[in-house]
Amino acid sequence: QLQLQESGPGLVKPSETLSLTCTVSGGSISSNNYYWGWIRQPPGKGLEWIGSIYYSGTTYYNPSLKSRVIISIDTSKNQFSLEVSSVTAADTAVYYCARERDYQYYMDVWGKGTTVIVSS
Amino acid sequence: QSALTQPPSASGSLGQSVTISCTGTSSDIGAYNYVSWYQQHPGKAPKLIISEVTKRPSGVPDRFSGSRSGNTASLTVSGLQAEDEADYYCASFAGNNNFRFGGGTKLTVL
Repeated sequence: QLQLQESGPGLVKPSETLSLTCTVSGGSISSNNYYWGWIRQPPGKGLEWIGSIYYSGTTYYNPSLKSRVIISIDTSKNQFSLEVSSVTAADTAVYYCARERDYQYYMDVWGKGTTVIVSS
Repeated sequence: QSALTQPPSASGSLGQSVTISCTGTSSDIGAYNYVSWYQQHPGKAPKLIISEVTKRPSGVPDRFSGSRSGNTASLTVSGLQAEDEADYYCASFAGNNNFRFGGGTKLTVL
């Protein structure tokens, strides 16, 4: 059974870079037909798609976040990662990683999420 | 980019049906057959309940159904049960490898 698990610091200072990793178990991150994505949810608010990556390294980003976001992948470790630079309090959120079905555009497996607070 | 528009709340009595709308544009919902719906209980990760407008993943009760008319997608929950009380989010492919979520609807089962 495929499982995803987010990990990373729960507290980040303003203006610094937020870094998270998603570890995939029970399946290969190099599978055809799937992208691997990041989604976030600010406290009490809705979901926001951040971006996605294919095992080949092809990436797609939310235009509103593109200038500050980098998603990378390490197929040897079965992991993919998120970096958000120049963070502010508005980046405080629960961050989820998820598997996205290519060409069908839905997220069918989600991690449990990790809370990141931006504060000095 | 703008989120898809959902009503903030919806409610229905046990056993009744409720429909949640999700309004987009001709560039997202109206353009592609890639609308999905997610159920989220408090403190939990979202769960896929509808993909590609009408498809139900294995294990999702057939009480959940999806549809679309023009730029508006809808999720109908029939035979409401207590465990259906949750937040529901729609999402759509928006072209140019872009993806949008709705603002979410809190469903209360009376």
